[in-house]
Formats: sequence, structure tokens, C-alpha cells
Amino acid sequence: EPEVTQTPSHQVTQMGQEVILRCVPISNHLYFYWYRQILGQKVEFLVSFYNNEISEKSEIFDDQFSVERPDGSNFTLKIRSTKLEDSAMYFCASSDRGLAGGYTDTQYFGPGTRLTVL
Amino acid sequence: EDKVVQSPLSLVVHEGDTVTLNCSYEVTNFRSLLWYKQEKKAPTFLFMLTSSGIEKKSGRLSSILDKKELFSILNITATQTGDSAVYLCAVEDASGTYKYIFGTGTRLKVLA
Repeated sequence: EPEVTQTPSHQVTQMGQEVILRCVPISNHLYFYWYRQILGQKVEFLVSFYNNEISEKSEIFDDQFSVERPDGSNFTLKIRSTKLEDSAMYFCASSDRGLAGGYTDTQYFGPGTRLTVL
Repeated sequence: EDKVVQSPLSLVVHEGDTVTLNCSYEVTNFRSLLWYKQEKKAPTFLFMLTSSGIEKKSGRLSSILDKKELFSILNITATQTGDSAVYLCAVEDASGTYKYIFGTGTRLKVLA
């Protein structure tokens, strides 16, 4: 069964460093998302991406964040200058919206990247 | 402000018990409600609900949506230890680009 994959599974970085989190969405999906989950808190929407551009972003997704689809398979989240409060699990998701007839729009989540900022 | 509230926050039951998890929501432009199970890492999809009163069923799990009262329930019958997980409710908000708004989850622990 196709699945969303993410690398690395765990990243440790120093405050102020740049990190790139990588995701490979399900191959025929067109809509991609990043969410984060701070330990013990709820999953929060960061950004949605379609047709090579950001569709929507939350207030969390400030100028230090960027997303890119550098090739036909990868979808990346870059955090330019990490802060302690960026420590969280980052989930990538892709959606089957528009692929099947009728109403279907299920987001499938990857296993996450745990980011620890020291 | 859009919000999704789940209750209870946590629940401990014994194998064989039946549990009911609740999700209420206030969303500007509701499109669908989804239930996910989160064990160690990624939320895994359980159900998508779009219409009131139509029960979705998968084995021992079932769910129903009430769009008038703005809530959904997830039932698990004859619970097993493998059902132990955090159950997440997410509402798809169609204002903009269909982002999910998640509740805080219900942590279910099933004891042998």
C-alpha cells in the first residue's frame, strides 16, 4: 500500500541552525501539507501546497519557514534559523483529493520527523 | 475562532469494554470530520464523515456525525489492548484550502 515517507526520523540541531525536513508524498497525490505536534499538544496545521505554490499557511508559518517541491517526488520544509520552541514532531501529509469520483479528500500522514532544538 | 474539542482527554478501560469518544466542533465552513488513530507516530486514517446520521463502520469501530448539534462519536466495542492509542478528531475547514483542525485527542488505554 502506498504511503507517505519522511526523513530523517529524528533530527537534533543547535539553536540558530537551518534544518530541512524531507517528505515523499504518495506518488499520484497533488495536495501536500505540513503539520507539527509539540510534545503533549495537539496537531497543528502549518501549510498546504498545491500546483507548486503555497495554498494556505497558518500564523505559525512565519518567515523562518519555507516549503519547496524541488523535484517530482520530494516535498521539503525548511526552517531557517531554528528556535527552542520549534522542537516538535513534524508531519507531512498528502491528500487524495480529486483522484476518485465523488467526495473524497483524505489526508494520509507520514511517520513524522522529531526535531529537537538544543 | 474555529475549534475542535474532544472528550474525555483520557480513558482507561479493561479488555472487552465498550468505549465512546466524543468530538464537538465549531468551524466556519465545515466540509468533513475525520477520525485518526495515533499510536507511536503518524496518525492513521479511520473514518471520514460528511453526512449526518450515516454510521460508518469498520470491524469493532463505528462513527457517526450530527451536523445539527456539531459533534461526532467514535465507538469501539469489545476493546482489545491493541486499541490503546490516542484517537484524534479533525475537522476539515473549507475556508481557504481545506486544512484540518485537530482536537487534542483522547488517550485510550486498554488493560488486559
